[in-house]
Amino acid sequence: EAQVTQNPRYLITVTGKKLTVTCSQNMNHEYMSWYRQDPGLGLRQIYYSMNVEVTDKGDVPEGYKVSRKEKRNFPLILESPSPNQTSLYFCASSLTILPGSPYNEQFFGPGTRLTVL
Amino acid sequence: DQQVKQNSPSLSVQEGRISILNCDYTNSMFDYFLWYKKYPAEGPTFLISISSIKDKNEDGRFTVFLNKSAKHLSLHIVPSQPGDSAVYFCAASVVSGTYKYIFGTGTRLKVLA
Repeated sequence: EAQVTQNPRYLITVTGKKLTVTCSQNMNHEYMSWYRQDPGLGLRQIYYSMNVEVTDKGDVPEGYKVSRKEKRNFPLILESPSPNQTSLYFCASSLTILPGSPYNEQFFGPGTRLTVL
Repeated sequence: DQQVKQNSPSLSVQEGRISILNCDYTNSMFDYFLWYKKYPAEGPTFLISISSIKDKNEDGRFTVFLNKSAKHLSLHIVPSQPGDSAVYFCAASVVSGTYKYIFGTGTRLKVLA
């Protein structure tokens, strides 16, 4: 089954304790991205990756790191989490992102609810 | 600065009637627009998209209209069904120079049976 998986689905942690949220897709997609969803703010892009070893900042990258060593995986790393990073996080992937392409549709994972105390 | 705005946080519509969800944007460089639907406890799912070279795209009960001069996007759902009750996000992609997606804040649609 074609899907984007995220782990863990729920996480409660404390300020300053490094954590990693994993994301994996089995569709051979080139483009992957991380978003956070907050009430009243919608979905905001944190980081994205055009392909292996190619990553760039989205709108809210502060406090986050990513890596893309393999095409299928795109982990989100919080080196020193803070309470303002409490949020619902989504990973997404698409085959490509090219002007007018019908393959720009992003497939989203089920989400990871993170609470930082 | 919110580049993509959905000014109606919520909308209620009777089953069988038309639902119209609106989205405004400020960046004229956006060249691709998408609508996503999100149910509680699930990730968003793609609904329909439109390229900036078109002004309308239709897929079954869903039609997206793009008015570039007004920088306005709308999603029409006809006829509305109770299963359409969800949060709808519009999104725009900036492909020239960057490859970002900018999402709106969402509109919660409730279709009343």
